[in-house]
Amino acid sequence: QKEVEQNSGPLSVPEGAIASLNCTYSDRGSQSFFWYRQYSGKSPELIMSIYSNGDKEDGRFTAQLNKASQYVSLLIRDSQPSDSATYLCAVTYNAGNMLTFGGGTRLMVKP
Amino acid sequence: NAGVTQTPKFQVLKTGQSMTLQCAQDMNHNSMYWYRQDPGMGLRLIYYSASEGTTDKGEVPNGYNVSRLNKREFSLRLESAAPSQTSVYFCASEVPPGRARFGPGTRLTVT
Repeated sequence: QKEVEQNSGPLSVPEGAIASLNCTYSDRGSQSFFWYRQYSGKSPELIMSIYSNGDKEDGRFTAQLNKASQYVSLLIRDSQPSDSATYLCAVTYNAGNMLTFGGGTRLMVKP
Repeated sequence: NAGVTQTPKFQVLKTGQSMTLQCAQDMNHNSMYWYRQDPGMGLRLIYYSASEGTTDKGEVPNGYNVSRLNKREFSLRLESAAPSQTSVYFCASEVPPGRARFGPGTRLTVT
């Protein structure tokens, strides 16, 4: 069973702080890693992708991947109330390339 | 360019009734997915279609059937609805693997 695990939260941070969201996965055959954001009542949207070990930055977002530890994280700098949403970690595996999601972490950014 | 469209947006069924959820994409993507989302459960894959004419079971296929009518359309059928199928259903298409574009969702209640 391929699993993607996230703490469901809520993770509460003050406006302007760094929010750190974490995800672990069970299959060492995992190839690609993604973060999706989902606002309440809306559909998920892709915000970050990472394919190799290390950090990848895009604006206020940084994705971090450590394949040896089977760990991927998302950092949001200068958090804003508009960042309040559920963040879903997703991975693809070698076979079939089907996208598997974690349960999501709800982030609340308080003004 | 509408992206991914789903119909209907809302539906209430009685136990034992059948219905088909429709999904269409205008991005010329090969891969399409059906997911269900329950509170705290993230997105669980029901069925997947890598290309026109092919379908594969996902994590929770029981009680569902799918049809990939052509490259644009991928439908999900509930033959005999059960209360356990109350959920939000999302269709998605993707290229390349992992970069999914989601439809707006169908909120289904089975009484």
